[in-house]
Amino acid sequence: QSALTQPASVSGSPGQSITISCTGTYSDIGTFNLVSWYQQYPGKAPKLIIGEVSKRPSGVSHRFSGSKSGNTASLTISGLQAEDEGAYYCCSYAGSDTLVFGSGTKLSVL
Amino acid sequence: EVQVVESGGGLVQPGGSLTLSCTASGFSVSAHYMTWVRQAPGKGLEWVSVLYDDGSAYYAESVKGRFTTSRDTSKNTLYLQMNSLRVEDTALFYCARVALNWPLDSWGQGTLVTVSS
Repeated sequence: QSALTQPASVSGSPGQSITISCTGTYSDIGTFNLVSWYQQYPGKAPKLIIGEVSKRPSGVSHRFSGSKSGNTASLTISGLQAEDEGAYYCCSYAGSDTLVFGSGTKLSVL
Repeated sequence: EVQVVESGGGLVQPGGSLTLSCTASGFSVSAHYMTWVRQAPGKGLEWVSVLYDDGSAYYAESVKGRFTTSRDTSKNTLYLQMNSLRVEDTALFYCARVALNWPLDSWGQGTLVTVSS
């Protein structure tokens, strides 16, 4: 199972909106509405920010939203803040009792 | 408070073995799916294994046949037995609880495994 494809880096200015794409195949993202997104700061554990494509866990800012179209999932962060700088990973159930992560995207807030 | 804490990492020679532990608090490991995820230095996340609540376990192709996931319900602890370790297994290993419909909603801080001669 190959990693899901994410852009290596994205950047934006405070207050702007950015979108991170996560491209898989019909066998994972295309078939299952089981995509999650994680935020990771350097030296820290990942944190769940979106589950089941678009569901935000309690305590996660409303500035984070998720969506999916075909074999591609997307994470949008609106009203970009300096504290959003970090790495973001998508993850999808891939059938046959397996998960697959995305390659990861480093977000820079300029 | 839901929490998981990993332990057991260390330096091991290629071909060696190591067992990682993940002790949970605030919930029962036997009532949830539990997963191991690893992250090589400077690299991305890689799914390793899942243990279902019925006790069945599944693995990534990269570790199948070498790694075994199990649990001890009396200790509320998840284990990852790693055999025939390779240099490319060097990584920070995370334990995470799997919530309904697969989001990993609680992660530990990880335990570092270094495979080197």
